[in-house]
Amino acid sequence: GQQLNQSPQSMFIQEGEDVSMNCTSSSIFNTWLWYKQDPGEGPVLLIALYKAGELTSNGRLTAQFGITRKDSFLNISASIPSDVGIYFCAGQGKKSSGDKLTFGTGTRLAVRP
Amino acid sequence: GAVVSQHPSRVICKSGTSVKIECRSLDFQATTMFWYRQFPKKSLMLMATSNEGSKATYEQGVEKDKFLINHASLTLSTLTVTSAHPEDSSFYICSARDRTGIHEQFFGPGTRLTVL
Repeated sequence: GQQLNQSPQSMFIQEGEDVSMNCTSSSIFNTWLWYKQDPGEGPVLLIALYKAGELTSNGRLTAQFGITRKDSFLNISASIPSDVGIYFCAGQGKKSSGDKLTFGTGTRLAVRP
Repeated sequence: GAVVSQHPSRVICKSGTSVKIECRSLDFQATTMFWYRQFPKKSLMLMATSNEGSKATYEQGVEKDKFLINHASLTLSTLTVTSAHPEDSSFYICSARDRTGIHEQFFGPGTRLTVL
């Protein structure tokens, strides 16, 4: 199945640093979502974006829905050890297509205390 | 609110046996549930969309006779892996969408299947 291109694939940063990751697609999506997955767990929704150009924050997290509807980025400011995990973007199509989610390839984040 | 559970969390079975995985929405009704498969260090891949009271819709390349899905109530969907083989070993994750129509999907904690 289709996957969205997510970069970087992995990051190893120092605690306190800011993190930026992005997601690109060849298709247009109506909604962009960012999830975090801890080992052996299901993904947990971090931020949802519903409108092209929208910039949304959730605590230290900020995400934007690209104007072209084909990309999105996620920033994490002042990283802390519990930010460790895998971050996935997901694009959601029209309700008529069943609201299916297409996931990105994931960004694995490691934080050095 | 919006809790989704899966049972079992982990299962080991012999090759050739069938395994049933349950997905429940605990505090909301879900007309639609989704089943995903995730291989180690890979992303989630949608297997099928499960609609309450009707047949599931399978993604291209997913064998419907091998992965049987039943969505008999608004709070329960089951995935049965029939005649499991080692290549079916994976992390299976379900998600459920609230029937109120909000687009968000709530994910279960996943089921780790190991086929010997």
